[in-house]
Amino acid sequence: AQSVTQLGSHVSVSEGALVLLRCNYSSSVPPYLFWYVQYPNQGLQLLLKYTSAATLVKGINGFEAEFKKSETSFHLTKPSAHMSDAAEYFCAVRGGNAGNMLTFGGGTRLMVKP
Amino acid sequence: NAGVTQTPKFQVLKTGQSMTLQCAQDMNHEYMSWYRQDPGMGLRLIHYSVGAGITDQGEVPNGYNVSRSTTEDFPLRLLSAAPSQTSVYFCASSPGQGWEGIYFGEGSWLTVV
Repeated sequence: AQSVTQLGSHVSVSEGALVLLRCNYSSSVPPYLFWYVQYPNQGLQLLLKYTSAATLVKGINGFEAEFKKSETSFHLTKPSAHMSDAAEYFCAVRGGNAGNMLTFGGGTRLMVKP
Repeated sequence: NAGVTQTPKFQVLKTGQSMTLQCAQDMNHEYMSWYRQDPGMGLRLIHYSVGAGITDQGEVPNGYNVSRSTTEDFPLRLLSAAPSQTSVYFCASSPGQGWEGIYFGEGSWLTVV
């Protein structure tokens, strides 16, 4: 069975500070990993995905994530937070479960202080 | 480019009523699925389909029914609504297995009173 754990349901950073959102996964097969962002009252937008190519994945809006197999982690980072980054972020894993559907973490709400 | 279209966007139901959330995709995707989103729990898989005529249960299927008579459509039926089904529902589609992108609809906000 697959699972995803996002450490910290709420993360608060100052504008211009480093953003680090943590994600750990478990998977019985080589995983495909995703980060999605959700702005208030909107759907989910794909930020980036890991598909077993490069371990450092660059996404939209300056975000990137590094796949570390030894740590079963896929943490999301951004060097400098912007006010517009305030949103909820979801880590998800695909592969090995029923129908290869996504299994999501509980989400992390990012707050950016001026 | 319509992508994945969900209707309605907002709905209020009374306990015991039934309703159908509609989902349609115009990308000829094989896979379609329904998730519900609840605070602190992320998105949980309700039902999914890997092709027309094929459906299966996800993590939280109780109280919901689905069918897939065409490639394009994947409606979700609430048989007898309960307050515990108050949630945001997302439909998603993807071309198939592997690393292909998964595309989400805009969501349907459902309140059961």
